[in-house]
Amino acid sequence: QKEVEQNSGPLSVPEGAIASLNCTYSDRGSQSFFWYRQYSGKSPELIMFIYSNGDKEDGRFTAQLNKASQYVSLLIRDSQPSDSATYLCAVNGIGGYNKLIFGAGTRLAVHP
Amino acid sequence: DVKVTQSSRYLVKRTGEKVFLECVQDMDHENMFWYRQDPGLGLRLIYFSYDVKMKEKGDIPEGYSVSREKKERFSLILESASTNQTSMYLCASSFRRSRAREPEAFFGQGTRLTVV
Repeated sequence: QKEVEQNSGPLSVPEGAIASLNCTYSDRGSQSFFWYRQYSGKSPELIMFIYSNGDKEDGRFTAQLNKASQYVSLLIRDSQPSDSATYLCAVNGIGGYNKLIFGAGTRLAVHP
Repeated sequence: DVKVTQSSRYLVKRTGEKVFLECVQDMDHENMFWYRQDPGLGLRLIYFSYDVKMKEKGDIPEGYSVSREKKERFSLILESASTNQTSMYLCASSFRRSRAREPEAFFGQGTRLTVV
């Protein structure tokens, strides 16, 4: 089993809709969870991070964490064509050294 | 602004050559990482360093080695380049302990390596 799993997509949503991206992880000791966005040919950039169970909102983005189910999600409200990118879920691994393990990423396509 | 700088944006090397990829960060981060990114496979960790001269193997260390002689610099070495090492290589750095204000890893611009 991979440490961090994501559906590779592509996930296609119409402009203005809610995009829902999901991620599961295997290490129950993980404490920090990150969502990165990566445009084609560019480096990943952080969108949000979350530590605690529940929801965390930042503008159009909401991260949701459920540690019991080992599940992290990212909701993008009012999706725009500029949101079209690959979204990478990352989890800090065991050992306390903040070593980040990434999922394979989900490609999101927002069509007008 | 955090800066993670990789020495080359594009590299073309021949099979069997020894290849050095350099990465420098200016944020006094303890952790530095080398990832490889291939289509459909996401970012796979090659090596990780949490301090000067300290290193840990990641998921795919075979064919690679690393060097961390100074805190700000982390080098990835391909001892004898092969065509299956053609890929995008990304360097990243972060604080060792996840901090509330800046927990994330910051990435360099990437090096696209082609081995012919």
